[in-house]
Amino acid sequence: ETGVTQTPRHLVMGMTNKKSLKCEQHLGHNAMYWYKQSAKKPLELMFVYNFKEQTENNSVPSRFSPECPNSSHLFLHLHTLQPEDSALYLCASSQDGPGTGNEKLFFGSGTQLSVL
Amino acid sequence: GQNIDQPTEMTATEGAIVQINCTYQTSGFNGLFWYQQHAGEAPTFLSYNVLDGLEEKGRFSSFLSRSKGYSYLLLKELQMKDSASYLCAVKANDYKLSFGAGTTVTVRA
Repeated sequence: ETGVTQTPRHLVMGMTNKKSLKCEQHLGHNAMYWYKQSAKKPLELMFVYNFKEQTENNSVPSRFSPECPNSSHLFLHLHTLQPEDSALYLCASSQDGPGTGNEKLFFGSGTQLSVL
Repeated sequence: GQNIDQPTEMTATEGAIVQINCTYQTSGFNGLFWYQQHAGEAPTFLSYNVLDGLEEKGRFSSFLSRSKGYSYLLLKELQMKDSASYLCAVKANDYKLSFGAGTTVTVRA
């Protein structure tokens, strides 16, 4: 069992679909993150949750809706996405949130999303 | 915004040494990370530098010069399994990590 688990690994969806990405961390960490990784581009931070509270929304369109029911689980709800949203979506966790000095990130393997 | 630059691709021979450079222009500095990402897999932590100098960890070393806004990751005695993307990430004053686009290293026999 890896430290951070993401499901599904691959997802193909139409622009009118609604789907959700799931992330679970087994490390006892307090902070969780969503990142977007597009080909040949830097990782883009989307959302940060610290102790279940959202502390960062990096100007992400409302068609992406995060949910953090507890410190171990993080979801990304998707609806009416665009083809340019196709990318690898990575979840990460850290012992503590940004600014604490304990922010080494542990990543999941990601969900490869294709929007048709 | 933050600016992190690293080469797109590098190729080296098995057993050789490769140096991946990273230059950054950020609003302040609170540390620099290197991550390794194999195709289709999660990025994994390699090193963290916050003070100037060289940090050595087995075959991998990372160097930082804060005055020059520069770091490098040195991979020695290259092995085929070192073929991967290497990501440089800087923690600026806002404590958020800004990533470079990654350097794809290909190790040839």
